[in-house]
Amino acid sequence: EPEVTQTPSHQVTQMGQEVILRCVPISNHLYFYWYRQILGQKVEFLVSFYNNEISEKSEIFDDQFSVERPDGSNFTLKIRSTKLEDSAMYFCATYEGGIQETQYFGPGTRLLVL
Amino acid sequence: GDSVTQMEGPVTLSEEAFLTINCTYTATGYPSLFWYVQYPGEGLQLLLKATKADDKGSNKGFEATYRKETTSFHLEKGSVQVSDSAVYFCALSDPGAGSYQLTFGKGTKLSVIP
Repeated sequence: EPEVTQTPSHQVTQMGQEVILRCVPISNHLYFYWYRQILGQKVEFLVSFYNNEISEKSEIFDDQFSVERPDGSNFTLKIRSTKLEDSAMYFCATYEGGIQETQYFGPGTRLLVL
Repeated sequence: GDSVTQMEGPVTLSEEAFLTINCTYTATGYPSLFWYVQYPGEGLQLLLKATKADDKGSNKGFEATYRKETTSFHLEKGSVQVSDSAVYFCALSDPGAGSYQLTFGKGTKLSVIP
């Protein structure tokens, strides 16, 4: 069964450093999402991406965050200057489009900012 | 805005016990409702869904019925197994309001003991 993959599985970084989290969507999917889950809290929506542009974003997704599909396959989330409070599990999800509405999630990247 | 409230965990049950995890929601539109499951070390997997009132979603012995009058989508299983140990997330999307992003509850950790 096709699946969403994410790399790296774990990332430790120093505050102020840039990180790039990578996702490989399911091949025929058109909609891409990033969510995050701070330890012990809810899974929160960050951003959705369709047709090479952001379609929705939450209040969390400020100027420190950006997304792109640099090569038509990978879908990346960049955090420009990490803060301690960015420590979380980041999930990529993809959706084929149409009426099924099912988002398929990757296994997540655990980011720790020191 | 939209929100999901689910019962606090953790929940510990003996094998073959009956499971109920309560979930209620608030939405401005007419949402679609989902239960996702996260097994240890894995990503979120769709367990079941319902897209309109009185629909019953079911999968792997789990069931949930979309109750518009009580704004609820409680998850049930008649006889749990050790392999059901996981974190369960209730979620909604509100496509009628033009949004496919998922809004999640905090998650309920279920442990099933032999």
